Amino acid sequence: EPEVTQTPSHQVTQMGQEVILRCVPISNHLYFYWYRQILGQKVEFLVSFYNNEISEKSEIFDDQFSVERPDGSNFTLKIRSTKLEDSAMYFCASSEGGRVSNQPQHFGDGTRLSIL
Amino acid sequence: AQSVTQLDSHVSVSEGTPVLLRCNYSSSYSPSLFWYVQHPNKGLQLLLKYTSAATLVKGINGFEAEFKKSETSFHLTKPSAHMSDAAEYFCVVTLNFGNEKLTFGTGTRLTIIP
Repeated sequence: EPEVTQTPSHQVTQMGQEVILRCVPISNHLYFYWYRQILGQKVEFLVSFYNNEISEKSEIFDDQFSVERPDGSNFTLKIRSTKLEDSAMYFCASSEGGRVSNQPQHFGDGTRLSIL
Repeated sequence: AQSVTQLDSHVSVSEGTPVLLRCNYSSSYSPSLFWYVQHPNKGLQLLLKYTSAATLVKGINGFEAEFKKSETSFHLTKPSAHMSDAAEYFCVVTLNFGNEKLTFGTGTRLTIIP
């Protein structure tokens, strides 16, 4: 069964440094998402992306965050200047279509980001 | 706006006994509802989904859930727990007309007692 793959599985970064989290969505999927889960808290939506632009973003997704689909297979999340509170598990997801009711989102295993 | 409340943060059951994980939702419009499972150090796997068709939804690994509009509930059940069911379970809601954002509950950790 096709899978969403995320790299690296664990990223350790100094506060203030830039970090890029990488995802390879399922190949025929058109909609891409990032979520995060701070330790002990619920999974939170960050951003959705379709047709090379952001379709929706949460209040968490401020100017420090950006997403990009640099080629036909990768989908990246960049944090420009990391803060301690960015430490979390980041999940990438993809779906065939935007109507989630018919097209469920498939998730990767996540990248654990630790900010020192 | 939509939200979900998972009523139990932790549930423990003995192997072979029934499982009940409770979820209540709030949504201004007709929602889609999901249960996802997360095993340790793994991603989120879709267990089942409700999308305004049959109110009793069957999923993978013997799980099922019933959508009850009058009670705004979507509880997850399994007749007989297996050791491999030990995991974190998330109830998830989204609007049923093209809003892609998923809203997660806080999760229920299911422990299976041998």
